[in-house]
Amino acid sequence: GNSVTQMEGPVTLSEEAFLTINCTYTATGYPSLFWYVQYPGEGLQLLLKATKADDKGSNKGFEATYRKETTSFHLEKGSVQVSDSAVYFCALSDRLTGGGNKLTFGTGTQLKVEL
Amino acid sequence: KAGVTQTPRYLIKTRGQQVTLSCSPISGHRSVSWYQQTPGQGLQFLFEYFSETQRNKGNFPGRFSGRQFSNSRSEMNVSTLELGDSALYLCASSSPSSGELDTQYFGPGTRLTVL
Repeated sequence: GNSVTQMEGPVTLSEEAFLTINCTYTATGYPSLFWYVQYPGEGLQLLLKATKADDKGSNKGFEATYRKETTSFHLEKGSVQVSDSAVYFCALSDRLTGGGNKLTFGTGTQLKVEL
Repeated sequence: KAGVTQTPRYLIKTRGQQVTLSCSPISGHRSVSWYQQTPGQGLQFLFEYFSETQRNKGNFPGRFSGRQFSNSRSEMNVSTLELGDSALYLCASSSPSSGELDTQYFGPGTRLTVL
């Protein structure tokens, strides 16, 4: 079945450092890819998405490019802030035979940004 | 537009009891999905409802059930609660008709603790 693999956390960075969180996937077909962020005590917020190969999703300074050749969707940000501290989930959208879809998630990567 | 809302936010139950969680999707969204989040298993798909019909189901026992009403609001029920059902239950809605076929928007979740 489809799966998503994320780098293990926690990732600890100083403010203004460059961030990369690696995500690779295994899928049949051409799934849409997503990054969600979860702050403590909250649900998941959609951060960005890409629906086809070579698409770049971006939001709030975060970017990720859908690379079909390497089956990757790595999350990057040029300069992190303390407020970016959260858990980040990579996900792919699985089309289901009954119609509709479900999200298959990675295990999440905790990011801690320190002053 | 208001986001996905879930009630209650927190619940404490004892083993053997049953519980009902509620989810109101984003206005106009007709698809509602439920996920369970635990530290050990991560985020797992429970089921998806569309037009009052369960369209897809994940790999959970029959104690987990749900329904959807004509206004697209959804409820999920867990009967005969077990300690392992303690989790954050997340509801997500999507709108296939908007062109964002695969994009799911999440609520804040209901934190269920089983004692």
